[in-house]
Amino acid sequence: NAGVTQTPKFQVLKTGQSMTLQCAQDMNHNSMYWYRQDPGMGLRLIYYSASEGTTDKGEVPNGYNVSRLNKREFSLRLESAAPSQTSVYFCASSERLAGQYLYEQYFGPGTRLTVT
Amino acid sequence: AQTVTQSQPEMSVQEAETVTLSCTYDTSESDYYLFWYKQPPSRQMILVIRQEAYKQQNATENRFSVNFQKAAKSFSLKISDSQLGDAAMYFCAYRSEETSGSRLTFGEGTQLTVNP
Repeated sequence: NAGVTQTPKFQVLKTGQSMTLQCAQDMNHNSMYWYRQDPGMGLRLIYYSASEGTTDKGEVPNGYNVSRLNKREFSLRLESAAPSQTSVYFCASSERLAGQYLYEQYFGPGTRLTVT
Repeated sequence: AQTVTQSQPEMSVQEAETVTLSCTYDTSESDYYLFWYKQPPSRQMILVIRQEAYKQQNATENRFSVNFQKAAKSFSLKISDSQLGDAAMYFCAYRSEETSGSRLTFGEGTQLTVNP
C-alpha cells in the first residue's frame, strides 16, 4: 500500500515548455486534489476532482489543466510553463462515503518544479 | 470564502518544554473541520490532529492538543514535552462541509524550531 505517489520528484523546465505531473493513489479514494506550495503562502488548491469523471477549479487554476484518467490517477498539465509556476506541487486524495467526507486528505511526497 | 491566518511565521521551543502555535480562521459556516498538518524537511504532509466544529471537546493526540474556541474562530495547537523530531513547518487548515470536493484552505504556516 503505497498511498499517494507522484512523479517526477524534481523537474526543471524552460519557459514555454510543457509537462505533465502524474499522481496515483491506491486507497480507492473518490476525491483527488492538486495543490501548489510557495514560500510564505501555505498550500493553495489548483484543481480538484470530487469523483471520477469530474474536475473543478480551485483557487489558482490559471495556466494549468487536469485530467482524471480513472479513479486512481489524476494528472496536472502545464501547457506553457512560466517562471511564476516555480513551486512545489502536491497531490492529495480523500474518501467520500454516502455523501460524507471522511476526515483528512492524504498527501503525496511532492514535486519540486523549477521554471527558468 | 474562508481564510486561515497563522500570525507566527516562526516559533522556537526548548526540548521538553511546551509551545503553542496560533491559528485563526474566518467563516460564515457552522459545520466544518479543522486540522493541523506537520511538514518536516522531507516535505511530506503529515496529519497531526483534527477537530470537528460540532464537538465542544478539544481534540488530543498524545503530546498534541488543541484549544478550539468556535465563537472566537481560534484553533491553537499545543505541543507538550517538545522533542527534536517536532521541528517542522506546521500548517493549520480548514475544511468546509458545505461545499463540494472537501477542499482544504491552509494558513501560511509556522516554522517550529526545537532547541536541545
